Amino acid sequence: DTAVSQTPKYLVTQMGNDKSIKCEQNLGHDTMYWYKQDSKKFLKIMFSYNNKELIINETVPNRFSPKSPDKAHLNLHINSLELGDSAVYFCASSQVGAGGNTEAFFGQGTRLTVV
Amino acid sequence: LAKTTQPISMDSYEGQEVNITCSHNNIATNDYITWYQQFPSQGPRFIIQGYKTKVTNEVASLFIPADRKSSTLSLPRVSLSDTAVYYCLVGEMDSSYKLIFGSGTRLLVRP
Repeated sequence: DTAVSQTPKYLVTQMGNDKSIKCEQNLGHDTMYWYKQDSKKFLKIMFSYNNKELIINETVPNRFSPKSPDKAHLNLHINSLELGDSAVYFCASSQVGAGGNTEAFFGQGTRLTVV
Repeated sequence: LAKTTQPISMDSYEGQEVNITCSHNNIATNDYITWYQQFPSQGPRFIIQGYKTKVTNEVASLFIPADRKSSTLSLPRVSLSDTAVYYCLVGEMDSSYKLIFGSGTRLLVRP
């Protein structure tokens, strides 16, 4: 059983298109995240949600809109894709507030290539 | 949030013990220290977490001195499959909704 699953794994699209990446976790966690890893391999947080509510928005362009229909899902929709959006996007989940050993579980990533 | 500093890269050979040190001079009282491992084309994976002294699990050990301004991840007898990027994170895990990753240490294990 995959704890955090993302689809699709690869996404190649043209500039200006709109695309979505889906994420689901079966761990019962309350908190989910989206991270972007660029070509230099820096992992930057984009958003975090807790119980379907947006908690963190790290100055991400408005073209990026996360949506959490329930606490097990956090999807990422990107409008008007630009070349600079090419990166690997990781979804993650954790149980914040559980105390003690709190770890985050990451999905396998979605490699987005904008051409 | 406390900033972390770790070596950009390290080389080792199979069977050796590898120690990766992370500096976090501005660590706060409620901050935990957590290490993640990332293989190419995969998401980061939790390795170990600690608050003070020493923590050991089946994968690694984490040494934290009394002042907590640094920590050392120790990987015993590394193998080729331990080649990965290792990230040190510092934060208030019990209430933080933002895991901040630094640049990480790229470990290369040679035969």
